[in-house]
Amino acid sequence: AQTVTQSQPEMSVQEAETVTLSCTYDTSESDYYLFWYKQPPSRQMILVIRQEAYKQQNATENRFSVNFQKAAKSFSLKISDSQLGDAAMYFCAYRSGGWETSGSRLTFGEGTQLTVNP
Amino acid sequence: DAMVIQNPRYQVTQFGKPVTLSCSQTLNHNVMYWYQQKSSQAPKLLFHYYDKDFNNEADTPDNFQSRRPNTSFCFLDIRSPGLGDAAMYLCATSIWKASTDTQYFGPGTRLTVL
Repeated sequence: AQTVTQSQPEMSVQEAETVTLSCTYDTSESDYYLFWYKQPPSRQMILVIRQEAYKQQNATENRFSVNFQKAAKSFSLKISDSQLGDAAMYFCAYRSGGWETSGSRLTFGEGTQLTVNP
Repeated sequence: DAMVIQNPRYQVTQFGKPVTLSCSQTLNHNVMYWYQQKSSQAPKLLFHYYDKDFNNEADTPDNFQSRRPNTSFCFLDIRSPGLGDAAMYLCATSIWKASTDTQYFGPGTRLTVL
């Protein structure tokens, strides 16, 4: 079974600065997808960024980028120019690349609570 | 232009009193999921539907049931809620076998059990 570990329960950053959230995972599969989701307080979970394991290039979405190290099974999220609206719980998630019945199951890490200080 | 809608947003029920949570989607996605998220924890998948095919997670208690009468709607039934079932319940949708099989989440229903 796959596991996802986020070793930082809480992180804080000053507005306009950069912060990196860590995520490691354990799998024996070669085909999979990795995600970062953001969950603001009392608001719905939204996708921040997605990475396909077969792609060597790190995914980027505006101020959000990942450092995907497949051999090390590491998938960190970097937030540049942090804004107050970035404050949220961030979840790292894994999905198998197969299309079996369980293929779309997301396995989440425990989350990292990010605080942005003005 | 809400895409995944959950009703109600807040639900209070009594210990042992059946409760139904609702999810609807305007995305025409063929997969719908129900997750349970307890306070400060990661979401945990309860089950999902691929079209009308129901897929239960091995550790989902029998107390939890689901119905999907059509593509747009999916219901979570808790037959006899216990105090331990108090949680946020998240509905999500995706397109199976799409190159961008991303799950889109609703805002959740927070269930309180008295």
